[in-house]
Amino acid sequence: EDQVTQSPEALRLQEGESSSLNCSYTVSGLRGLFWYRQDPGKGPEFLFTLYSAGEEKEKERLKATLTKKESFLHITAPKPEDSATYLCAVQAGSWGKLQFGAGTQVVVTP
Amino acid sequence: EAQVTQNPRYLITVTGKKLTVTCSQNMNHEYMSWYRQDPGLGLRQIYYSMNVEVTDKGDVPEGYKVSRKEKRNFPLILESPSPNQTSLYFCASRGGSTGELFFGEGSRLTVL
Repeated sequence: EDQVTQSPEALRLQEGESSSLNCSYTVSGLRGLFWYRQDPGKGPEFLFTLYSAGEEKEKERLKATLTKKESFLHITAPKPEDSATYLCAVQAGSWGKLQFGAGTQVVVTP
Repeated sequence: EAQVTQNPRYLITVTGKKLTVTCSQNMNHEYMSWYRQDPGLGLRQIYYSMNVEVTDKGDVPEGYKVSRKEKRNFPLILESPSPNQTSLYFCASRGGSTGELFFGEGSRLTVL
């Protein structure tokens, strides 16, 4: 059975304290791995798509990487505005189905 | 402005009273999908549609129906809602080379 697991469930950081979020997956035929950011009361907002092992994407203080079994979202020198829930999603097999992890809630304090 | 619009945003209803949550997108996307979000469970896919008149089940389709008669609209129908369908619902459409999903603002449904 396909599974997407995110860790940790919650992360509290001081401003400037870099850290990494993990998304591990067990699926057959990965087509793409996606990262989203979700603010309270809002719909998820797209961050990155990764398609193959070794691929990396960057945007401001965020960098996403992909291996054959997991993806990492690195947050470098975070600011309070980076506080959000970060969601990982995997598309495998069918182009229509998308499976999300439960998310990591990140709080960055000044 | 490119957007996905859901209505209603908030709804309290009673068991068994049929309801429809509408979803409309203005980006001419072929793919649309519905998700429910529950604490600790994340987003779970209910149904998706690859194009007009083409729909398929996601991971949690029981108790829901969908239709896709026009490209821009993808309503979610609860024929006989039950309390376990109390949840936050998101509609999304997909487009562009990145395969990114564009989400609506969500519809919070409470079934008493």
